[in-house]
Amino acid sequence: QKEVEQDPGPLSVPEGAIVSLNCTYSNSAFQYFMWYRQYSRKGPELLMYTYSSGNKEDGRFTAQVDKSSKYISLFIRDSQPSDSATYLCAMSVNSRELVFGKGTKLTVNP
Amino acid sequence: IAGITQAPTSQILAAGRRMTLRCTQDMRHNAMYWYRQDLGLGLRLIHYSNTAGTTGKGEVPDGYSVSRANTDDFPLTLASAVPSQTSVYFCASSVQGGGNQPQHFGDGTRLSIL
Repeated sequence: QKEVEQDPGPLSVPEGAIVSLNCTYSNSAFQYFMWYRQYSRKGPELLMYTYSSGNKEDGRFTAQVDKSSKYISLFIRDSQPSDSATYLCAMSVNSRELVFGKGTKLTVNP
Repeated sequence: IAGITQAPTSQILAAGRRMTLRCTQDMRHNAMYWYRQDLGLGLRLIHYSNTAGTTGKGEVPDGYSVSRANTDDFPLTLASAVPSQTSVYFCASSVQGGGNQPQHFGDGTRLSIL
């Protein structure tokens, strides 16, 4: 079993929809959780960063961490065509390297 | 604009040739990383450096070498390229080493080995 599992999609939604992207993980020591967005032919860019459990909101984006279930989510409200990208979850224990999910490709249709 | 510059943006290379991918950052970050990204496999760490003068191996280091002579530059060398090294290579940096640090990525080098 991989340490981080992420459904690769692809996920296609209409503009304005609420999008839910998810990752599960097996290492209960993970403490730091990140979401990256990657546009086609570009490098990943940091979208959200959370420590331990709980929610974090930034504009239309909400990151949620449930450590008891080993499950993290990224919600996108009022999705826009410009949100079309691949979304990568990433997580780590403090001293070790960042572990990435394989990414979910999202298309928001106008 | 501050960030990470990778060169070349793309390259086609004959198997057996030597190739160096360049990476320069102007953010004065201490830590730098090299990843490869392959369809279905995601991002995998090749090598990293937590500070100038030190390097470490990641998940897939075989066939690759790195050096960190100064803070800004972190070149990745393929000594004798093989077709399985066809991939998109990303360089990244963070303020400090360690998994709690957000990483900033370049836009990648697309490398094809024939």
